[in-house]
Amino acid sequence: EIVLTQSPGTLSLSPGERATLSCRASQSVSSNYLAWYQQKPGQAPRLVIFGASSRATGIPDRLSGSGSGTDFTLTISRLEPEDLAVYYCQQYGTSPTFGQGTKVEIK
Amino acid sequence: EVQLVESGGGLVQPGGSLRLSCAASGFTFSSYWMHWVRQAPGKGLVWVSRINSDGSSTSYADSVKGRFTISRDNAKNTLYLQMNSLRAEDTAVYYCAMRSEGYREWGQGTLVTVSS
Repeated sequence: EIVLTQSPGTLSLSPGERATLSCRASQSVSSNYLAWYQQKPGQAPRLVIFGASSRATGIPDRLSGSGSGTDFTLTISRLEPEDLAVYYCQQYGTSPTFGQGTKVEIK
Repeated sequence: EVQLVESGGGLVQPGGSLRLSCAASGFTFSSYWMHWVRQAPGKGLVWVSRINSDGSSTSYADSVKGRFTISRDNAKNTLYLQMNSLRAEDTAVYYCAMRSEGYREWGQGTLVTVSS
């Protein structure tokens, strides 16, 4: 099983600041089958990034994904109040696994 | 518009059974692999099970293997999760999700509570 470790656990930033979320895998993620999801309070998760760096439909371009192999990053270039959420990375290979999540708080 | 609507959750005693359903609409259901993901109260997302597009192949997390069964009826555009021998640690919101470049679409979830 591929273990995904996200850091930090919580990120508290002001509007307009840059947020950098990390996801590290215990072994290489095949074919970059790495996704990021946004989950707002009381809602189902929403796909943000797939294939490590491709933006899902309707996702603003201030959210971007990068990385390969075992190290991946989700960047929010200019934080907005609507970005308040927990973000999960996931590898969606043969036996999918999720990271434990990073909570983004707005100061 | 793509829609996934789960149903069948509720309160069940330890050792009991429950069958969840996920009704799909707005896309060609029979073309997609489908997954179940759960989330215990206040906790993170955990993958539970998946089924391929024609139902001939399934896979399960170790924590539910032998107790849960995933299935689908492509004629009814419906995904199922039969849950037997339920335990307190199975308490969670259960989501169905469509696999396409990640999990592109999710249902709103159905709450399963296992308690005496």
